[in-house]
Amino acid sequence: EPEVTQTPSHQVTQMGQEVILRCVPISNHLYFYWYRQILGQKVEFLVSFYNNEISEKSEIFDDQFSVERPDGSNFTLKIRSTKLEDSAMYFCASGQETSGRTDTQYFGPGTRLTVL
Amino acid sequence: TQLLEQSPQFLSIQEGENLTVYCNSSSVFSSLQWYRQEPGEGPVLLVTVVTGGEVKKLKRLTFQFGDARKDSSLHITAAQPGDTGLYLCAPRMTGGTSYGKLTFGQGTILTVHP
Repeated sequence: EPEVTQTPSHQVTQMGQEVILRCVPISNHLYFYWYRQILGQKVEFLVSFYNNEISEKSEIFDDQFSVERPDGSNFTLKIRSTKLEDSAMYFCASGQETSGRTDTQYFGPGTRLTVL
Repeated sequence: TQLLEQSPQFLSIQEGENLTVYCNSSSVFSSLQWYRQEPGEGPVLLVTVVTGGEVKKLKRLTFQFGDARKDSSLHITAAQPGDTGLYLCAPRMTGGTSYGKLTFGQGTILTVHP
């Protein structure tokens, strides 16, 4: 069964460093998402991406964040200058449609980012 | 701003017991999805309820969407240790500028002891 994959599973970085989190969505999906989950808190939407551009982004997704689909398979989240509060699980998700009502998003296993 | 509340926040029960978790809001939704998240994994969709009053069953799990489409419940019969996980509700909206983003509740952490 196709699945969303994410690498690395755990990333440790120093504050101020840049990190790139990588995702390989399901191959025939067109809509891509990043979410994050700070330890003990709820899963929060960061950004959605369709047709090579951002469709929607949350207040969390400030200028330090960027997303890219550099080729036909990868979808990346870059954090330019990490802060301590960026420590969280980052989940990538993909879907075939976005009716906003009954569409299904498939989540990857997540990347645990630890900023020291 | 929609206010979404899931209860209880934590639930610890013995195998074989029944349980119900709730997802409540002051807003009306076009649909609502329930996800389960296990440790170290991403959320997995369990069900989507669309019509007010709708009841859907998934083996021992029964999902209900409130008549007014403001709330939902998940009932598990004869819980098993494999049901352990974080149960999340995600109401869906149509219209506006939503492009499919999910807004999750805080979740209910369920632990089923053997």
